[in-house]
Amino acid sequence: NAGVTQTPKFRILKIGQSMTLQCTQDMNHNYMYWYRQDPGMGLKLIYYSVGAGITDKGEVPNGYNVSRSTTEDFPLRLELAAPSQTSVYFCASSYTGGYGYTFGSGTRLTVV
Amino acid sequence: AQRVTQPEKLLSVFKGAPVELKCNYSYSGSPELFWYVQYSRQRLQLLLRHISRESIKGFTADLNKGETSFHLKKPFAQEEDSAMYYCALSEKGNTDKLIFGTGTRLQVFP
Repeated sequence: NAGVTQTPKFRILKIGQSMTLQCTQDMNHNYMYWYRQDPGMGLKLIYYSVGAGITDKGEVPNGYNVSRSTTEDFPLRLELAAPSQTSVYFCASSYTGGYGYTFGSGTRLTVV
Repeated sequence: AQRVTQPEKLLSVFKGAPVELKCNYSYSGSPELFWYVQYSRQRLQLLLRHISRESIKGFTADLNKGETSFHLKKPFAQEEDSAMYYCALSEKGNTDKLIFGTGTRLQVFP
């Protein structure tokens, strides 16, 4: 049982480059989330989805885009990378929030 | 606005000492609260949730609506408890988004 799988684990981007962070879950969870974790700042919600075809912005969506074409996948797209996007990104899923989230292992992104 | 506050960035104790990690929240409705833990080089994982009133790894947390607090407690800390602890509040509804506090690093010395 893989749970939530994120790829890549590490990435260095140059300013202005684009990339997609992949997130896949095999638990048939309806809800999926993307958070970023900055030192001393906790986790901030970027985007979330309550089911295939439905996405919505979180607290810090600027500079990111998402899609949810299947229940399993919830990729996060960075179009024009900026140094402010240097962070650790976590994907999570839940059947319903009352039971808590299952997190991926994270992607450490550095923009230089 | 909904907010979760963890006032301590770092809490250091010796093995066997009691531990209390503080969490205060502001929320207009009836909250669902959680504690998550992140051990070194591991992913975030759910430690416990208030609705289940359980004890996990010796940790307990009681929701105090009067004081709007959800402090995490353990009577005797162990070295393996050293980790980052996050308190989180769920916005109940059809999204169940979690709002996280800034986290408290617990260091347990031998």
